[in-house]
Amino acid sequence: EAQVTQNPRYLITVTGKKLTVTCSQNMNHEYMSWYRQDPGLGLRQIYYSMNVEVTDKGDVPEGYKVSRKEKRNFPLILESPSPNQTSLYFCASSSPQGPGISYNSPLHFGNGTRLTVT
Amino acid sequence: AQKITQTQPGMFVQEKEAVTLDCTYDTSDQSYGLFWYKQPSSGEMIFLIYQGSYDEQNATEGRYSLNFQKARKSANLVISASQLGDSAMYFCAMRSSSTGNQFYFGTGTSLTVIP
Repeated sequence: EAQVTQNPRYLITVTGKKLTVTCSQNMNHEYMSWYRQDPGLGLRQIYYSMNVEVTDKGDVPEGYKVSRKEKRNFPLILESPSPNQTSLYFCASSSPQGPGISYNSPLHFGNGTRLTVT
Repeated sequence: AQKITQTQPGMFVQEKEAVTLDCTYDTSDQSYGLFWYKQPSSGEMIFLIYQGSYDEQNATEGRYSLNFQKARKSANLVISASQLGDSAMYFCAMRSSSTGNQFYFGTGTSLTVIP
């Protein structure tokens, strides 16, 4: 089954304790991305990756790190979590698009990780 | 800058009635795609429907259709014959040539279907 798998689903941690949220996709997608969802703000992009070893900042990258050593995996790292990073996080992947190509490939989402930082 | 606007924070609809969820977008690109996602209370994001900027016909997927008005830059989602299971958050999103593979999302509309 084609899917994006992220773990854990729920995570409660304390301020300053490093954590990693894993994300893996089995659709051979080049493009992967992380979003956070907060009430009234929709989904905001944290980081994205166009391919292996290629990552770039989204709209809200502060306090987060990512790596893309393999095509299928795109972990999100919080080196020193703070309470304002309490949120619902989504990993997503998609086929890449380019000039002259229809932009019809949707984002495929993982099931989300609900993070609470106390 | 790309922008998606959903002006209805919350909507109510009677079961079996149709409902329209509004979405307007702002882009100067000619090539772009518009997407709608459903997020039930369980939290997952479900892709519903897609409309391309060059598509001449409005997209339809079962009970979902997209009312695409390019000149007005609107891409409203129409749900026909609402069911209780349609109660969820709905997000409009866009991807365009200048943003490459970036998706931009609106703030969402919470739909409640009343029995």
